[in-house]
Amino acid sequence: DAGVIQSPRHEVTEMGQEVTLRCKPISGHNSLFWYRQTMMRGLELLIYFNNNVPIDDSGMPEDRFSAKMPNASFSTLKIQPSEPRDSAVYFCASTGLNYGYTFGSGTRLTVV
Amino acid sequence: GQQVMQIPQYQHVQEGEDFTTYCNSSTTLSNIQWYKQRPGGHPVFLIQLVKSGEVKKQKRLTFQFGEAKKNSSLHITATQTTDVGTYFCAASTTDSWGKFQFGAGTQVVVTP
Repeated sequence: DAGVIQSPRHEVTEMGQEVTLRCKPISGHNSLFWYRQTMMRGLELLIYFNNNVPIDDSGMPEDRFSAKMPNASFSTLKIQPSEPRDSAVYFCASTGLNYGYTFGSGTRLTVV
Repeated sequence: GQQVMQIPQYQHVQEGEDFTTYCNSSTTLSNIQWYKQRPGGHPVFLIQLVKSGEVKKQKRLTFQFGEAKKNSSLHITATQTTDVGTYFCAASTTDSWGKFQFGAGTQVVVTP
């Protein structure tokens, strides 16, 4: 199993541009999570899906952030427009029922 | 809402020494998980505890869930340089199925 696959690994973009982060969860896992990690705020849960349905998006910072999961093997997190304060490492994680999360390698986003 | 507090925030350890990191919650937890994140890496699942008073061991790592299910600890014996990283606990409650809140982590530095 290739694990949770995220792309791109690194993204540098200018303020105001749209950014799309991608995630392929582990086949058979029915829950998918998007986290953001910064030194100041640690690991923050942004949104999670269960069986492709968004369950809790209370962690999404504001309307500039949106996430979709069109099928069981793909999810996107979009930021439009991006701002420098969005700079962080964004992790996607997936899990089966009642077990530990498998995290992807993350996308390091830098907004200049 | 549920708050998960981890102490200490930083831990400097001489190689060969033991240390313990703690995870505390004000609410009763259903499950608690522990993760390790190496510098520049992603969190990696270590273990899940479910039962009151449960103790699990992985080689030099001992994990414990408190009797009241409000706290947990991770004890590492004979620390090695490979133990360097940040250790996170993540907790869920019965009304937050599948959703784990991560603590701020304990960053461990090992001195040879």
